[in-house]
Amino acid sequence: DADVTQTPRNRITKTGKRIMLECSQTKGHDRMYWYRQDPGLGLRLIYYSFDVKDINKGEISDGYSVSRQAQAKFSLSLESAIPNQTALYFCATSDGNRGLSNQPQHFGDGTRLSIL
Amino acid sequence: AQKITQTQPGMFVQEKEAVTLDCTYDTSDPSYGLFWYKQPSSGEMIFLIYQGSYDQQNATEGRYSLNFQKARKSANLVISASQLGDSAMYFCAMREARNNNAGNMLTFGGGTRLMVKP
Repeated sequence: DADVTQTPRNRITKTGKRIMLECSQTKGHDRMYWYRQDPGLGLRLIYYSFDVKDINKGEISDGYSVSRQAQAKFSLSLESAIPNQTALYFCATSDGNRGLSNQPQHFGDGTRLSIL
Repeated sequence: AQKITQTQPGMFVQEKEAVTLDCTYDTSDPSYGLFWYKQPSSGEMIFLIYQGSYDQQNATEGRYSLNFQKARKSANLVISASQLGDSAMYFCAMREARNNNAGNMLTFGGGTRLMVKP
């Protein structure tokens, strides 16, 4: 079983719809992240969370919101989806207890979101 | 200014040969870490190798090694004995110490698409 699970894996929806992408992890990490990847580009950070009570905006948070329901769950919402939010979305986790360490972020398999 | 620059959008390499993927970075933080990830066509992000700014030796992990030149701010990934399964996008990313309290954030480059020819 995957350590970081994203659902759904693929989603096609229409402009104006509310969308929720979910992420759950079994790694016991306290830090969780949401990124988006546009074709031919690297990942850009949308939101990150230290723990359930600590959520922070990343580089491109406009148009998105998040909820950290539990240590293991971090969901991303698009309140009113627009076509330029079509992208590949990744959830990631890391162990925040190790400071600046060599521990990588661990990624889910991604959610391909298409907004028509 | 771009923090992570990968100047090669795409590269070809012959199977069994070595290939170097370039990565240059920009930071004023003396403490940082550099990561390389592989993204196959299926889309997942796979961690390959890490280099810390204070590491005395270049990192190695199996067929992957880093050519870390701190003064030039470059951390090029070397893949030896390329295999067909190495065909993928490769991303360089940086974590700066001053971002540690900001969540261990990673900044990614734009990636290099590697294609291994049989």
